[in-house]
Amino acid sequence: QVQLVQSGAEVKKPGASVKVSCKASGYTFSSHYMHWVRQAPGQGLEWMGIINPSSGNTNYAQKFQGTVTMTRDTSTSTVYMELGSLRSEDTAVYYCARRSAITRNFDHWGQGTLVTVSS
Amino acid sequence: QSALTQPASVSGSPGQSITISCTGSSSDVGGYNYVSWYQQHPGKAPKLMIYDVSNRPSGVSNRFSGSKSGNTASLTISGLQAEDEADYYCSSYTSSNTYVFGTGTKVTVL
Repeated sequence: QVQLVQSGAEVKKPGASVKVSCKASGYTFSSHYMHWVRQAPGQGLEWMGIINPSSGNTNYAQKFQGTVTMTRDTSTSTVYMELGSLRSEDTAVYYCARRSAITRNFDHWGQGTLVTVSS
Repeated sequence: QSALTQPASVSGSPGQSITISCTGSSSDVGGYNYVSWYQQHPGKAPKLMIYDVSNRPSGVSNRFSGSKSGNTASLTISGLQAEDEADYYCSSYTSSNTYVFGTGTKVTVL
């Protein structure tokens, strides 16, 4: 079965960077794009960007351009999301979510990674 | 890209039907049939309930249905059950080759 397993919670200081991983299993890694979505405490879902695991090509939401970098390691079926210049407003749960192979949705989700930014 | 507009809350009694709206623009909801809906229970990851406006993934109850008219999509839950109490989010693909979520709706079963 499809599984997306994310790395553990992180606590970072303002101005630092964080790198969250998402290890995929149960399907052909290169056949499905991967999204990153975040959710601040008590708030809604916010789309951050998407990566093509086959080519490494990315597309980021305008809000995150210049601060987010999404990469992948095909040898371990893992995608990464690195967010820099952290501010308190970046405190959120970060999710990876697989895109369906045939249409544009988020068909499987990781368990989420809480990133706390605090001095 | 502004979030799609959803009502903050919707409630209903067990067995009733409720509908959640999701309003966007011709650049997202109105321009593509790539509207999907997600259910999120507290402390859990979202779960796909409807994709491509009106399709249900395998395993999702047929009490959930979706539709779209113009720039507004809708999710209907029929035969409301206690387990349906959760937050619901719509999402759409956009003309900028990006994605946008709705503001979210809290469903309460009275």
